[in-house]
Amino acid sequence: EPEVTQTPSHQVTQMGQEVILRCVPISNHLYFYWYRQILGQKVEFLVSFYNNEISEKSEIFDDQFSVERPDGSNFTLKIRSTKLEDSAMYFCASRGTEKETQYFGPGTRLLVL
Amino acid sequence: AQKVTQAQTEISVVEKEDVTLDCVYETRDTTYYLFWYKQPPSGELVFLIRRNSFDEQNEISGRYSWNFQKSTSSFNFTITASQVVDSAVYFCALSDYGGATNKLIFGTGTLLAVQP
Repeated sequence: EPEVTQTPSHQVTQMGQEVILRCVPISNHLYFYWYRQILGQKVEFLVSFYNNEISEKSEIFDDQFSVERPDGSNFTLKIRSTKLEDSAMYFCASRGTEKETQYFGPGTRLLVL
Repeated sequence: AQKVTQAQTEISVVEKEDVTLDCVYETRDTTYYLFWYKQPPSGELVFLIRRNSFDEQNEISGRYSWNFQKSTSSFNFTITASQVVDSAVYFCALSDYGGATNKLIFGTGTLLAVQP
């Protein structure tokens, strides 16, 4: 069964460093998402991406964040200069058509020291 | 604005008990989707069910059942004869229907602990 994959599963970084989180969505899907879950809290929407551009972003998704689909398979989230409060689990999700379900990857746990 | 409320923060039951997880939502949209996801201790989000707002039929899948009531804006989830493997955080979520984004708005989750 096709699935969304994410790498790395865990990342530890120093405050101020740049990180890139990688996702490989399900191959025929068209809509891509990043969500964040701070430990013990709810899952929050960050950004959606369709047709090679951002379709919506949340207040959390400020200038320090960017997304890219550099080739036909990868979907990345970059945090330019990490802060302590960026420590969270980051989930990638993808969806096939407008009316289909979003399927989530296993997440990347980011720890900023 | 869209909002999902899961008032039960934690529920503890003994194996084989039935348990219902509550979900109440708010939206101005007339058509929308409702979801339940399971997050086991390993951390991934596992899709359980999606329901369209115009389909109020209740659904049963094995030990799982869902009760959607548009009149009370609720979408409750019942596990019958709970098992230890059901221990997880369960999230209810809402999205709009047919939009370009269809982002998910999650509730705060209910931690279900099933004791042997």
